[in-house]
Amino acid sequence: AQRVTQPEKLLSVFKGAPVELKCNYSYSGSPELFWYVQYSRQRLQLLLRHISRESIKGFTADLNKGETSFHLKKPFAQEEDSAMYYCALSGLDSNYQLIWGAGTKLIIKP
Amino acid sequence: NAGVTQTPKFQVLKTGQSMTLQCAQDMNHNSMYWYRQDPGMGLRLIYYSASEGTTDKGEVPNGYNVSRLNKREFSLRLESAAPSQTSVYFCASSEVGTASYEQYFGPGTRLTVT
Repeated sequence: AQRVTQPEKLLSVFKGAPVELKCNYSYSGSPELFWYVQYSRQRLQLLLRHISRESIKGFTADLNKGETSFHLKKPFAQEEDSAMYYCALSGLDSNYQLIWGAGTKLIIKP
Repeated sequence: NAGVTQTPKFQVLKTGQSMTLQCAQDMNHNSMYWYRQDPGMGLRLIYYSASEGTTDKGEVPNGYNVSRLNKREFSLRLESAAPSQTSVYFCASSEVGTASYEQYFGPGTRLTVT
């Protein structure tokens, strides 16, 4: 069954520290992976997708097919990174619609 | 541009009542979606409309109906609300109906069914 797991409901780190938000997935084929973010009082929005191999706001995510993971990383956290982060996948089995993780709330302490 | 708008923002219903959640987008997108979000869970797709004139069931369609009124508007109807439908509902749109295209979200509707 296709599934996205974000094992941490809450992650709290100090400003300037590295951040890693974990995302593990279960999917039999080759999925596309995404990170969406919701800042306080803002709407849910796309942060990055693995197929673009981009870095947005200093965040990167590498698809590890062997470990079926797509962890989101940033070397130096900033206070404005505090938000809810959602990992999602899509593929043929989901009719190319998004399957979402439960989300991780990231708090950056000053 | 307002993007994706949803009405109402909040709603309380009694079991058995009906209501329609409205969604509109001004980005000329072809595809629109309705999700629900429950505590401790990710968003789950209720229905989507890949293009005007088409609708398809998502992961959790039971108890809901949708109407793609025109290219701009996509409504979600609860015919007989149940407490299990207490949730936050999000509408979204995208240029094309696959996840490869960024989805743009509305602000959400918080629905409580007592």
